[in-house]
Amino acid sequence: KAGVTQTPRYLIKTRGQQVTLSCSPISGHRSVSWYQQTPGQGLQFLFEYFSETQRNKGNFPGRFSGRQFSNSRSEMNVSTLELGDSALYLCASSLNEGAGQPQHFGDGTRLSIL
Amino acid sequence: AQSVTQLGSHVSVSEGALVLLRCNYSSSVPPYLFWYVQYPNQGLQLLLKYTTGATLVKGINGFEAEFKKSETSFHLTKPSAHMSDAAEYFCAVSSPGSASKIIFGSGTRLSIRP
Repeated sequence: KAGVTQTPRYLIKTRGQQVTLSCSPISGHRSVSWYQQTPGQGLQFLFEYFSETQRNKGNFPGRFSGRQFSNSRSEMNVSTLELGDSALYLCASSLNEGAGQPQHFGDGTRLSIL
Repeated sequence: AQSVTQLGSHVSVSEGALVLLRCNYSSSVPPYLFWYVQYPNQGLQLLLKYTTGATLVKGINGFEAEFKKSETSFHLTKPSAHMSDAAEYFCAVSSPGSASKIIFGSGTRLSIRP
């Protein structure tokens, strides 16, 4: 069974640009969550999608957005990139929504802002 | 609000020695607790989780953790460290009603001395 796939693995952008990251969950998984990981702030929850609806959102500015498609694949978008957006962005999928569900993580997209 | 505190950002043990990684949580409702491991340039992998029931939880790779409500702790242990255990370990908490939102600790980097 294929794991969570995130594309691209590495990305370099400049300030002011926008970026779209993609996440394909494990087949059959309907919930997708996104996290930002930085050395200073650690792992921070961005948002969670289930059945194409955003179920939960972390404390990030509106520049960070996401969506989920009918096949459960998800994308997150960051507009007007800032230097502080440099991070590893992790996607996790779970079978259903719910706090007790184990999450399966992808290897992440490493975003560097110049 | 929930929070997780991992005591010690870096722990070093000798190969064959006991591994003990400490985690304390704060939650106003009965928590769900998790330990994840992250190897370099990879995503997170679930080691074990506690939701309800038996307070001693066994996970993969010989790790186990004990939920102690009176101490609000969920420490991770392994009787005998192996070189392949060197990685970053994250304790995490969520609770019913929080959808799949997980709050992560700041992580503990485990080094194994030959």
